[in-house]
Amino acid sequence: SQTIHQWPATLVQPVGSPLSLECTVEGTSNPNLYWYRQAAGRGLQLLFYSVGIGQISSEVPQNLSASRPQDRQFILSSKKLLLSDSGFYLCAWRQETSYEQYFGPGTRLTVT
Amino acid sequence: SQQGEEDPQALSIQEGENATMNCSYKTSINNLQWYRQNSGRGLVHLILIRSNEREKHSGRLRVTLDTSKKSSSLLITASRAADTASYFCATDYNTNAGKSTFGDGTTLTVKP
Repeated sequence: SQTIHQWPATLVQPVGSPLSLECTVEGTSNPNLYWYRQAAGRGLQLLFYSVGIGQISSEVPQNLSASRPQDRQFILSSKKLLLSDSGFYLCAWRQETSYEQYFGPGTRLTVT
Repeated sequence: SQQGEEDPQALSIQEGENATMNCSYKTSINNLQWYRQNSGRGLVHLILIRSNEREKHSGRLRVTLDTSKKSSSLLITASRAADTASYFCATDYNTNAGKSTFGDGTTLTVKP
């Protein structure tokens, strides 16, 4: 069966510090991968998606970047965090031939 | 702007009652999905309804889709306290990458 992992679960970082969030998927190959951010009480904002290794599409201009160094690994990064980067970050995957997305447990990021 | 918008924003009912949530969208879709999110967790896929379908059932869930009105509804029958969660609709406007657009959700509270 497929499993998606995200870490860390929570993170408190000062403004100006770097960020690296990691997401890995097990039990499938060549998944589509997604990074979302969720503000408190709101829906999901799609940040990045990837249909293959090294293929990254950015949805909104921002202080973040994403990379996919391996088929089932998706990394969200920032060189210098802003207060506005605080939020709940969710990674998700789906099969190329399916519509259902499967979400990881999320990372709660607080920038202080 | 977000495709799916849920209504109401919050819903509080007694255990055993039915809960109905609505979702409206703006442009043509390929399909519409409903997800559930427990507080502080990732989203869980509930049901998908395709644009050529009008109604779909899964256990105590019933989803309808009216493409002429660009709206969908999620009915949870005989609600339980464990149904307390936020419910999101997601519309798919790009089938190649499965970029779903999520609404802000309906927060359902089921009182025991």
